[in-house]
Amino acid sequence: NAGVTQTPKFRILKIGQSMTLQCTQDMNHNYMYWYRQDPGMGLKLIYYSVGAGITDKGEVPNGYNVSRSTTEDFPLRLELAAPSQTSVYFCASSYGVGGKAFFGQGTRLTVV
Amino acid sequence: AQTVTQSQPEMSVQEAETVTLSCTYDTSESDYYLFWYKQPPSRQMILVIRQEAYKQQNATENRFSVNFQKAAKSFSLKISDSQLGDAAMYFCAPAFFNAGGTSYGKLTFGQGTILTVHP
Repeated sequence: NAGVTQTPKFRILKIGQSMTLQCTQDMNHNYMYWYRQDPGMGLKLIYYSVGAGITDKGEVPNGYNVSRSTTEDFPLRLELAAPSQTSVYFCASSYGVGGKAFFGQGTRLTVV
Repeated sequence: AQTVTQSQPEMSVQEAETVTLSCTYDTSESDYYLFWYKQPPSRQMILVIRQEAYKQQNATENRFSVNFQKAAKSFSLKISDSQLGDAAMYFCAPAFFNAGGTSYGKLTFGQGTILTVHP
């Protein structure tokens, strides 16, 4: 039972480069989320999705894009990386409103 | 906009003692669920306990229990018989939603409380 799988676990990116953080879940959850966690802080919502083809912005969406073509996958795209995007990124999924959220192991991204 | 406040950046407790972590929130949404998550140094997010706001009975999960005061918008976590493995960052995270479905139960995280357990 894999749960929520994120890749990569670590990445160093140069300013202006782009990359995609992959997230997949095998629990048939309809809700999926991307959060970022800056050092010593709580998690902030970047984007979320309530089902395939439906996405919406969270609290800090600038500099990011998402798509949800299948129930299982919810990739996060960083365009033109900036130092302010240095953070740990978490993907999560849940079934329905109020359901327990399952988190991936996180991706530590450093932009230099 | 919803806000979540954890007023204790750090707390410490002796092994086998009891500690309470505080959380308050502000929302105008019609209903919600409340969660406490634990994040050890491995950075894995682990669900500790879940409370449904429409239930008056406080949730318990083994050594973990909550004191939910809906009118005061307060949701504290009590850890009894603390163990060394309880040392972690703890996050209060309500999931607000409304009948119109525009909130979709997204988790809103507090700033976290670092818990240290002394042997």
